[in-house]
Amino acid sequence: GNSVTQMEGPVTLSEEAFLTINCTYTATGYPSLFWYVQYPGEGLQLLLKATKADDKGSNKGFEATYRKETTSFHLEKGSVQVSDSAVYFCALSTNTGNQFYFGTGTSLTVIP
Amino acid sequence: DAGVIQSPRHEVTEMGQEVTLRCKPISGHDYLFWYRQTMMRGLELLIYFNNNVPIDDSGMPEDRFSAKMPNASFSTLKIQPSEPRDSAVYFCASSFRGVSGANVLTFGAGSRLTVL
Repeated sequence: GNSVTQMEGPVTLSEEAFLTINCTYTATGYPSLFWYVQYPGEGLQLLLKATKADDKGSNKGFEATYRKETTSFHLEKGSVQVSDSAVYFCALSTNTGNQFYFGTGTSLTVIP
Repeated sequence: DAGVIQSPRHEVTEMGQEVTLRCKPISGHDYLFWYRQTMMRGLELLIYFNNNVPIDDSGMPEDRFSAKMPNASFSTLKIQPSEPRDSAVYFCASSFRGVSGANVLTFGAGSRLTVL
């Protein structure tokens, strides 16, 4: 079946620290992979995506590389800011494109 | 584009009352999804539609829940009768298949339901 596993939170970092949030997936076929971010009181927003192996998605200083060999899509940012405090969800969609599978979310708090 | 529009943003009701949540998807999107988010269970898919037709409602918790999509620009999620355990944030999301072949899912801001 299809599923996404991401690291448990919460994660607390100091401003300018390096961030990694691990995400691994199980999927049949060739899924597309996504990171969504949810700020307090808001809906989920697409942060970045990758549609095939070795693709790197990037946005707002965040990056993730689609690794087929390790079935991973880890989220990284070199220097986090207080404004990055949010919940981050890893997700995949099947190659038919009409089913989405979300991880449980990882809460990130960045302290000044 | 105004994005996915949900109403109401907040609803407080008493147990046993009917609740109707509304969603206007992004124009041109052919898939519409209803999700529920709680602290205990995280994000759960309730039902999704393709071209206004329900495709998978296996996530609908019980018969008290129903969803309709009478046209491409409107969907409702109804709970009747409501119970305190239905308290959650309900998200509507819509998607299309982009040129890359990947569906891009866009969420609304959510409807926070509290059942007393």
